[in-house]
Amino acid sequence: EAGVAQSPRYKIIEKRQSVAFWCNPISGHATLYWYQQILGQGPKLLIQFQNNGVVDDSQLPKDRFSAERLKGVDSTLKIQPAKLEDSAVYLCASSLGPLGGAEAFFGQGTRLTVV
Amino acid sequence: KQEVTQIPAALSVPEGENLVLNCSFTDSAIYNLQWFRQDPGKGLTSLLLIQSSQREQTSGRLNASLDKSSGRSTLYIAASQPGDSATYLCAARGSRLTFGEGTQLTVNP
Repeated sequence: EAGVAQSPRYKIIEKRQSVAFWCNPISGHATLYWYQQILGQGPKLLIQFQNNGVVDDSQLPKDRFSAERLKGVDSTLKIQPAKLEDSAVYLCASSLGPLGGAEAFFGQGTRLTVV
Repeated sequence: KQEVTQIPAALSVPEGENLVLNCSFTDSAIYNLQWFRQDPGKGLTSLLLIQSSQREQTSGRLNASLDKSSGRSTLYIAASQPGDSATYLCAARGSRLTFGEGTQLTVNP
């Protein structure tokens, strides 16, 4: 079974530039999550999709971050414009369902450095 | 709001030692608790998933327990090896999957 795929693995941009990350979840997984992990901290949920609808985006900085999941499969997360404090690893995860006993599987992450 | 705490933040042990990592959560209304391993520069690897109705799960040298009423989970690692060196994260699933800050484990040869 293929895992959660993310690209790119690394990205370095200057502040005020824009950047986009891509995620392909495990086939058949209806729920997709984007997490932000700042160095030395645990991951923090940015947004959760159920199929192509948003379930939870309460911690997404909507003035600069946006995400979409077209056709309920792949997803992209965009930051525009980036700030220095956005430097972090962005993790994508998927699970069969949003609640209950569904196990979450994570991708390798995209490490973003904003200079 | 769910808060997850992991103690200790860092742990260094000699090879062969048995060890316990602790995880506590404030809201006991969870569906499950999941333990992950994270190697430097890598994503998260799921180790064990304990459903809210279960008390423990075992995989090889790993054993995780869950006490919902007290809001605690422990990860027991038997006969630790240098290859176990990594950061271990616990996450409680309620309305969202909430993570602790992790325990950074170093097993010295």
